[in-house]
Amino acid sequence: DTEVTQTPKHLVMGMTNKKSLKCEQHMGHRAMYWYKQKAKKPPELMFVYSYEKLSINESVPSRFSPECPNSSLLNLHLHALQPEDSALYLCASSQGLAGGYYHNEQFFGPGTRLTVL
Amino acid sequence: GQQVMQIPQYQHVQEGEDFTTYCNSSTTLSNIQWYKQRPGGHPVFLIQLVKSGEVKKQKRLTFQFGEAKKNSSLHITATQTTDVGTYFCAGPQETSGSRLTFGEGTQLTVNP
Repeated sequence: DTEVTQTPKHLVMGMTNKKSLKCEQHMGHRAMYWYKQKAKKPPELMFVYSYEKLSINESVPSRFSPECPNSSLLNLHLHALQPEDSALYLCASSQGLAGGYYHNEQFFGPGTRLTVL
Repeated sequence: GQQVMQIPQYQHVQEGEDFTTYCNSSTTLSNIQWYKQRPGGHPVFLIQLVKSGEVKKQKRLTFQFGEAKKNSSLHITATQTTDVGTYFCAGPQETSGSRLTFGEGTQLTVNP
């Protein structure tokens, strides 16, 4: 299985809602990522989990809360978002450290298109 | 901090014409990766180049990594409508290999 899956595909939420985005991979990858992408822009890194531990938080506001329940799953909990948080949220995975080399080629999921009203 | 610049930002070609996008990093890269994102889609990993001066081909796509490992190019021969999309280059940051710096992307449109 060489696929990263994400649910839901689309999400519309109000500023007072709490919702979660989910991501799953079964490639045995040990690094997982959350990115935010605005239209016509490159993906912008938010969080990195390496071996199920949060290794990078790119100063993301606390209204975004990541969680890695196990090596295959990654969640992003959303609370009290702002309209400017509307974007495509991409999950990605990479092999990580293997054979003395860090494999950082990233495999992206289809994304969740989030609209905050 | 590390910057990765990509040009051109947009490219419109007639089907059958060639296309090239260029990527330049402010720092030496351990590797460079290329991704393609179709309209409405997600980035898809195309290739990784590691060695100085490396050239790799995938059918009509030719990827090059510069001798100084600071620049790269993607050339498409005889474009087809299926080549439409945005092409991003990305390089790992020196301080953290898991953190990629993406170029701004080149958006390619192909007129049939």
